[in-house]
Amino acid sequence: AQTVTQSQPEMSVQEAETVTLSCTYDTSESNYYLFWYKQPPSRQMILVIRQEAYKQQNATENRFSVNFQKAAKSFSLKISDSQLGDTAMYFCAFMKHNNAGNMLTFGGGTRLMVKP
Amino acid sequence: DTEVTQTPKHLVMGMTNKKSLKCEQHMGHRAMYWYKQKAKKPPELMFVYSYEKLSINESVPSRFSPECPNSSLLNLHLHALQPEDSALYLCASSQGVRRGIYNEQFFGPGTRLTVL
Repeated sequence: AQTVTQSQPEMSVQEAETVTLSCTYDTSESNYYLFWYKQPPSRQMILVIRQEAYKQQNATENRFSVNFQKAAKSFSLKISDSQLGDTAMYFCAFMKHNNAGNMLTFGGGTRLMVKP
Repeated sequence: DTEVTQTPKHLVMGMTNKKSLKCEQHMGHRAMYWYKQKAKKPPELMFVYSYEKLSINESVPSRFSPECPNSSLLNLHLHALQPEDSALYLCASSQGVRRGIYNEQFFGPGTRLTVL
């Protein structure tokens, strides 16, 4: 079974600064996918960024980038130029495929507060 | 149309009531999912439907009964629930359940369920 660990239950950052959220996972799979989802107080889960395990290049989406270290099973999220709207719960998620479907396993989440 | 809609937004029910949650998507996705999310916890997978057939049931009690009448619609029928079933119920959809990054899941805003 896969496990996903987010070791920082809560973090805060000043507006316009950079923050990094950590995520580690454990799996015996060789082909899998990793995601960061954001869940603001409005509770809608929004996909922030995705990474395919077979790609060595780190994914980037505007102010969001990841540091994917496959050997270390680490998948951290960096948010640059933090904005007030980035305040949310952030979940790291691992997706594996089996014949019945794609199953997401979430980490425990990191609550991020962006301060003005 | 790139959204998943869920109704109702909030639901309060007694332990003897029968109610249903509804989820709809018009993205042509062929896989749909139900998740349960307790406060300050990550979502937990309940059911996966692939091409309108139930493909994964994560040992969910029978008081939760899913139904997929067509590829756009997913229902969750509730009967004889317990207070501990109070949670946010999230629906998600993806293009399919085959291997691939394009099978990322898009989430609806959820239904906040309270069982009295």
